Amino acid sequence: EVQLVESGGNLVQPGESLRLSCAASGFSFSSYAMSWGRQAPGKGLEWVSSISDSGSGTYYADSVKGRFTISRDNFRNTLYLQMNSLRAEDTAVYYCAKRQGSGRSYGSFDYWGQGALVTVSS
Amino acid sequence: EVVLTQSPGTLSLSPGERATLSCRASQSVSSSYLAWYQQKPGQAPRLLIYAASSRATGIPDRFSGSGSGTDFTLTISRLEPEDFAVYYCQQYGSAPLTFGGGTKVEIK
Repeated sequence: EVQLVESGGNLVQPGESLRLSCAASGFSFSSYAMSWGRQAPGKGLEWVSSISDSGSGTYYADSVKGRFTISRDNFRNTLYLQMNSLRAEDTAVYYCAKRQGSGRSYGSFDYWGQGALVTVSS
Repeated sequence: EVVLTQSPGTLSLSPGERATLSCRASQSVSSSYLAWYQQKPGQAPRLLIYAASSRATGIPDRFSGSGSGTDFTLTISRLEPEDFAVYYCQQYGSAPLTFGGGTKVEIK
């Protein structure tokens, strides 16, 4: 059974940093591109970042480019999102998601974690 | 950036009725790289359809997707009580990946 479990969500002040982790199990983690998406309270879904299966290719939404860094550890089957210079508008539930199928570095997402809440407020 | 516009914003229907949801793109979605998701309150999204018309694993055949280019449709042939939720389309033909604003299917 595929499982994605996020951790690291917290309440932080504007300008601070936070690192999210996503522990993956039940599939060959190193064979699939992975992504982070988010959903602000009461709002729709927003793509944040994607990373290729090997980790050599990374992609970011303009809203987080230069502040967030996606990475992965294929030995530990874990996906990360390092978030720096956090802003109030980054407040959201952050989901990690597995790419449906193999090949390209991003695609549709067939499995999602339960989400980690990040609140940025003074 | 490909902007996706979903309509209607809310669809009020009764169980057993047919639901037709629209997703229009601001430019052609390459290779029909379009997906549909269902999301219920407090839950993560669930993939229904990928590549515009392919059902994801375990999705009932009352869900179907169609379309190409800039116009896509999700059809639920007969609404079951568990189908009342918010539905999102997503394009993944080019970065940045984008989602539509969602259509809420509510019980009439």
